[in-house]
Amino acid sequence: DAGVTQSPTHLIKTRGQQVTLRCSPKSGHDTVSWYQQALGQGPQFIFQYYEEEERQRGNFPDRFSGHQFPNYSSELNVNALLLGDSALYLCASSLAGGTTNYGYTFGSGTRLTVV
Amino acid sequence: KQEVTQIPAALSVPEGENLVLNCSFTDSAIYNLQWFRQDPGKGLTSLLLIQSSQREQTSGRLNASLDKSSGRSTLYIAASQPGDSATYLCAVVARGSTLGRLYFGRGTQLTVWP
Repeated sequence: DAGVTQSPTHLIKTRGQQVTLRCSPKSGHDTVSWYQQALGQGPQFIFQYYEEEERQRGNFPDRFSGHQFPNYSSELNVNALLLGDSALYLCASSLAGGTTNYGYTFGSGTRLTVV
Repeated sequence: KQEVTQIPAALSVPEGENLVLNCSFTDSAIYNLQWFRQDPGKGLTSLLLIQSSQREQTSGRLNASLDKSSGRSTLYIAASQPGDSATYLCAVVARGSTLGRLYFGRGTQLTVWP
């Protein structure tokens, strides 16, 4: 049973560019959330997708956008990259928004470096 | 706004010691609490999940307790090993308007030396 799969593993982009990160949830999960983790910090919530809609959003600018597909996989897009966007981006999947006995399952993350 | 704090920020101990990691949260209206382990540069591995109606959960050498009314959780690690070296993160799942959102602490960085 595959867990959460994220791609790519590492990415280097230049300021001002755009990037797309991808996530396939754990089999059976229907909800995908994205988190940004800066070095030495705890993960910060970006947004959550359920039934192909953005259900919640954290304190991130509109440069951060996403999408969920009918097969529950998801993409995170970041436009006009800033140096401060350099971080580990984590995808987490769950059932019914994490409000079950099973909690969240995280992927290995995508390390984004903006130069 | 929910805030999660973890103490201590870092801990370095010899192999074999029993450890207690602390987590506190400001809003007791939580759905559940989850402890994760993170190795350097890697993703999060779930260790234990405690529902808001539960007091504790155990898995092998790990035991997590939850006191929702006081906004505290502890992760107890028995007979620590060098392989336990990692960052341990505590996260709560909120109720109410942000139902399902995880709020994380900054973690406790644990080093167990032989």
